Amino acid sequence: KNEVEQSPQNLTAQEGEFITINCSYSVGISALHWLQQHPGGGIVSLFMLSSGKKKHGRLIATINIQEKHSSLHITASHPRDSAVYICAVRSNFGNEKLTFGTGTRLTIIP
Amino acid sequence: KAGVTQTPRYLIKTRGQQVTLSCSPISGHRSVSWYQQTPGQGLQFLFEYFSETQRNKGNFPGRFSGRQFSNSRSEMNVSTLELGDSALYLCASSSRGGGGNSPLHFGNGTRLTVT
Repeated sequence: KNEVEQSPQNLTAQEGEFITINCSYSVGISALHWLQQHPGGGIVSLFMLSSGKKKHGRLIATINIQEKHSSLHITASHPRDSAVYICAVRSNFGNEKLTFGTGTRLTIIP
Repeated sequence: KAGVTQTPRYLIKTRGQQVTLSCSPISGHRSVSWYQQTPGQGLQFLFEYFSETQRNKGNFPGRFSGRQFSNSRSEMNVSTLELGDSALYLCASSSRGGGGNSPLHFGNGTRLTVT
């Protein structure tokens, strides 16, 4: 079992829909990152969370440390939101390395 | 403020050769980390440097090495290249490393093809 599991792997939705991407992890962490990767490779850091909830524009990220679960929500989705969204956790023991989920490919149809 | 700069953007090498990739972090950032991304394995952590010291290392063979200079610029070296080393290599900088969590700023990557 991977240390970081994301669901769904692929998601297609109509413009304007509310989007939820989930991330579950099995290790103790000091922080969780949500990343966005567009075709061509560039990665943008969306959020870094260690507790609670953060909001930036139409994006909201939440984390439940007890349940080892985080969600990324996109409200009023737009075709420019089409990208791969990646969850990454930094473990709080050992070498504190970052471990990545396999990503969720989101496609928003106009 | 200039972003994270990786050079070169594209590289083609032959099996058995070695390669050096470069990463210049955002000014003032002291932590640089390196990642390998392949279609099969996804993103994997290679190593992290903070103030010229390697803080963390991923599960890669010793052919993969790196270093960080006093100006925080970092280089990654892969020796005796194998076909499986073909990947997108990304670096990221942050103001704090390891347990001192801070947001990551990624470069655009170097796409390495080994033939």
